[in-house]
Amino acid sequence: GENVEQHPSTLSVQEGDSAVIKCTYSDSASNYFPWYKQELGKGPQLIIDIRSNVGEKKDQRIAVTLNKTAKHFSLHITETQPEDSAVYFCAASQNYGGSQGNLIFGKGTKLSVKP
Amino acid sequence: NAGVTQTPKFRVLKTGQSMTLLCAQDMNHEYMYWYRQDPGMGLRLIHYSVGEGTTAKGEVPDGYNVSRLKKQNFLLGLESAAPSQTSVYFCASSASWGGNQPQHFGDGTRLSIL
Repeated sequence: GENVEQHPSTLSVQEGDSAVIKCTYSDSASNYFPWYKQELGKGPQLIIDIRSNVGEKKDQRIAVTLNKTAKHFSLHITETQPEDSAVYFCAASQNYGGSQGNLIFGKGTKLSVKP
Repeated sequence: NAGVTQTPKFRVLKTGQSMTLLCAQDMNHEYMYWYRQDPGMGLRLIHYSVGEGTTAKGEVPDGYNVSRLKKQNFLLGLESAAPSQTSVYFCASSASWGGNQPQHFGDGTRLSIL
């Protein structure tokens, strides 16, 4: 089935710097790639998503890029702020088998932004 | 608009006890999901439902049962709790096929099995 690898597992940056989180996936048929932010004690919240017919998508300080050939996608956060500190999860859609249509999640990246 | 609401927020059980976790959504979503989250493991799908009266197994279904008697509610049951089921449980919903639509999550139920 689909497998999603996420790196790094922890990331520490200075306020104002950029942060990049990378994910790879195994199923070439996957066509939907959301990113979630999870704050302590809360559920994951969707922050941005991209579909396979688009190579890049941007929303203010957050951007996601997708390379279908290499089967990897990345989250870019510019001008980081302390409130960006959280755990970030990538996910990819599973498009075959009995669980077709479900999401497979990476194991998460804990981002710490130091003031 | 509450979105996805999970009850209870915390629970401690003894091995062998049973309990039901409740998930309610007010967005009229067709699809609902139950995940468990363990340290270093990300989110793993337990069971899901593609509509009222339907359920299906996910990646880690053993030891759990589910029911979707009403469109807005999705129940997760543990018949005989085991320490390995200590985890944080998240419910999610989506308007349509989860493979290309955003899933909206509740804030979780933290369950400890002693």
